[in-house]
Amino acid sequence: GAVVSQHPSWVICKSGTSVKIECRSLDFQATTMFWYRQFPKQSLMLMATSNEGSKATYEQGVEKDKFLINHASLTLSTLTVTSAHPEDSSFYICSAIREAFYNEQFFGPGTRLTVL
Amino acid sequence: GQQLNQSPQSMFIQEGEDVSMNCTSSSIFNTWLWYKQDPGEGPVLLIALYKAGELTSNGRLTAQFGITRKDSFLNISASIPSDVGIYFCAGQPAGGTSYGKLTFGQGTILTVHP
Repeated sequence: GAVVSQHPSWVICKSGTSVKIECRSLDFQATTMFWYRQFPKQSLMLMATSNEGSKATYEQGVEKDKFLINHASLTLSTLTVTSAHPEDSSFYICSAIREAFYNEQFFGPGTRLTVL
Repeated sequence: GQQLNQSPQSMFIQEGEDVSMNCTSSSIFNTWLWYKQDPGEGPVLLIALYKAGELTSNGRLTAQFGITRKDSFLNISASIPSDVGIYFCAGQPAGGTSYGKLTFGQGTILTVHP
């Protein structure tokens, strides 16, 4: 149990376009999900906390209008990278907290975004 | 913000050797977690620690939650080639107000030579 999926697993887009990444908890409900980005050989950097039914909470330095987060249901959060630029190229990973097990955070497999 | 100092940054070992890595913090943590990440994948939880002094094993892995609540270590015994990857410590600071928010260490890159 406790499987988190992400779609797509990789995406290549042109500069200026928007890209949506989905994060789903497949066998549990998740009130809270997190979005991270990771550069090669570096640690995970938390971008935002996604809360079901309310606005996301962004970390300092992360542009809210650039990285739109929607947590429309207890099993789905989406991250939309708007007007993507080459510097947005990165590995984006989501995670979800299994309700009633708040210390257990399960990660998705990640999405590799390449902006040309 | 919170910082976790993880060491060593990388390790090159022979198959069969034991491995030890640790994380320290300047402040108290309520939870320590150890994850492994394979290339191009998301982190996978290896061991979760919830109480100071707790020592937990998962197969060849053993991790401890330091008594001071400011550190944790992970040991891997009798390493095998599939142990290769990046190992991250992560924790939840005491007194934090953000539900479930984790702070990550910088990672330890493990290479195992057959």
